[in-house]
Amino acid sequence: DAKTTQPPSMDCAEGRAANLPCNHSTISGNEYVYWYRQIHSQGPQYIIHGLKNNETNEMASLIITEDRKSSTLILPHATLRDTAVYYCIVNPNAGGTSYGKLTFGQGTILTVHP
Amino acid sequence: NAGVTQTPKFRILKIGQSMTLQCAQDMNHNYMYWYRQDPGMGLKLIYYSVGAGITDKGEVPNGYNVSRSTTEDFPLRLELAAPSQTSVYFCASRDPSGQGYGYTFGSGTRLTVV
Repeated sequence: DAKTTQPPSMDCAEGRAANLPCNHSTISGNEYVYWYRQIHSQGPQYIIHGLKNNETNEMASLIITEDRKSSTLILPHATLRDTAVYYCIVNPNAGGTSYGKLTFGQGTILTVHP
Repeated sequence: NAGVTQTPKFRILKIGQSMTLQCAQDMNHNYMYWYRQDPGMGLKLIYYSVGAGITDKGEVPNGYNVSRSTTEDFPLRLELAAPSQTSVYFCASRDPSGQGYGYTFGSGTRLTVV
């Protein structure tokens, strides 16, 4: 599985957009980019995923560069409850030898302050 | 509510004792996983299963055993507990026919070995 690089920590003011970057320069053509977050040692929570097109859902937007070597997770209006560790993971969709196993790095600690 | 249920939520074991961490899901997911998370670190895969009767080792399987007799249940067995197994354990499940998302995590079991 391709490895990812994320900044260890970021700050964001409440109500502003939080932009979390992720580098995945060795990503393969069949690998998706997933984002999960973990709030205060709870189980990780799925946020969004994408292959090569930009994606948006009720929680966030995912911007993937054209060469797919990096991506940005955008929380459009961050709240205090968005304070969490955010993990960027690349992984094949399903099947194959990886069987969808997730490889978690250190993630980015996002702190949203008033 | 549908999801992944882990029991117990907390447990203190003495060195050399054994225990089983229970994990059950009611979403009919074929794929199930056990991860551990040490303080300040990302999750590491212990074991996974792609269906009833089929299990395989992950990144850190030593000191653990699993079984998968039904689709719903995926217990993790600790034999001869050691202080190095003090961690938070997360179980997850996934529908491999889904489009990349569908990883659902339990709320975790916090284990301390003294």
